Amino acid sequence: DAGVTQSPTHLIKTRGQQVTLRCSPKSGHDTVSWYQQALGQGPQFIFQYYEEEERQRGNFPDRFSGHQFPNYSSELNVNALLLGDSALYLCASSLDRNTEAFFGQGTRLTVV
Amino acid sequence: GEDVEQSLFLSVREGDSSVINCTYTDSSSTYLYWYKQEPGAGLQLLTYIFSNMDMKQDQRLTVLLNKKDKHLSLRIADTQTGDSAIYFCAESWEGGQNFVFGPGTRLSVLP
Repeated sequence: DAGVTQSPTHLIKTRGQQVTLRCSPKSGHDTVSWYQQALGQGPQFIFQYYEEEERQRGNFPDRFSGHQFPNYSSELNVNALLLGDSALYLCASSLDRNTEAFFGQGTRLTVV
Repeated sequence: GEDVEQSLFLSVREGDSSVINCTYTDSSSTYLYWYKQEPGAGLQLLTYIFSNMDMKQDQRLTVLLNKKDKHLSLRIADTQTGDSAIYFCAESWEGGQNFVFGPGTRLSVLP
């Protein structure tokens, strides 16, 4: 079992550009959540996907959107990138309403 | 609102016990977690406790929960250099996976 995998591991984008990050959940997991971790801070919840629908959302602007595919993998899209979007983006997968969530290694996004 | 607080730094000698503390504000939280993050890595779940429990022990790890004071602690016995990392306290609610994390405590283990 490969666990939660995220791609790419590192990414550099220019202000105003758009970015797509990808996540494959742990085998058997159907729920994917995305978090943003700025340098020196704890992760902040962005949103959660279950059954291809956004089920919960944190306090993030509409520039942050996502998608979940029938195979439970997920994408996080960020439009009109700002310098402040530079962070480690973490994906977590779980079995619906299960207490344990497993995190991927994250994608380090740098906006210049 | 939801808020989780932790002290930012802790330094201990190898072989000593480490105690990392956390306070939270939402008394309706159902689960409380401890995650470990090593440099450049994602989060590793160490342990979690249900809000109706007072204590949970798992090998070198002991979690204590004081629900009245909304205080959670993680004790690491016989701390090793490999325990050096950032430790995050997090809370969540029944049926949800939208964790609220604290800012993390950087544990340094000195030889």
